[in-house]
Amino acid sequence: DQQVKQNSPSLSVQEGRISILNCDYTNSMFDYFLWYKKYPAEGPTFLISISSIKDKNEDGRFTVFLNKSAKHLSLHIVPSQPGDSAVYFCAATTGGTSYGKLTFGQGTILTVHP
Amino acid sequence: KAGVTQTPRYLIKTRGQQVTLSCSPISGHRSVSWYQQTPGQGLQFLFEYFSETQRNKGNFPGRFSGRQFSNSRSEMNVSTLELGDSALYLCASSLRLAGRYNEQFFGPGTRLTVL
Repeated sequence: DQQVKQNSPSLSVQEGRISILNCDYTNSMFDYFLWYKKYPAEGPTFLISISSIKDKNEDGRFTVFLNKSAKHLSLHIVPSQPGDSAVYFCAATTGGTSYGKLTFGQGTILTVHP
Repeated sequence: KAGVTQTPRYLIKTRGQQVTLSCSPISGHRSVSWYQQTPGQGLQFLFEYFSETQRNKGNFPGRFSGRQFSNSRSEMNVSTLELGDSALYLCASSLRLAGRYNEQFFGPGTRLTVL
């Protein structure tokens, strides 16, 4: 049972445009959500996170939106740059005793064309 | 500040052997979590260590084990290797302060190939 799902395996965007990556979850106990970016042969790099008590968090070109009623979160990248091309993972945790356990989606390959 | 380091970066073993992977967390980080990444299963949580104690464990067989030392460095061990254990093994560290969630920062991973 996949508790975190990224239904789009890939996304292609033109440089300068907005990239929107989506993630759905089924476990209502998740209370903290994160986005990571991963290049081949490297570990995931933390991008941005959001607590379940918020519906939006912004950091530079990256904004994460959380819709708890729909169990959906999205990552917006504006403007997109070729260097953003990578695999993006969303992750979630229930915190508490499961503090150190992240549940990941399958990832979305983002390609930003110059 | 140095990031999370993992050794070795690449490893080739044969079925039935055992392997030990090492992870040094970011200085000051006290929690270390381990993950396995495979093309079919994606990124899956193995276990987490904090203050030398295993705090969480994922759905992996007992062949997968780990430990943490007093300096927060961690090792994971896989015994009786199977072909399906071929994967990228990632460790991540975090501060694990009470009262708020602290993000995990990942190392570059150890690529294990089982022949």
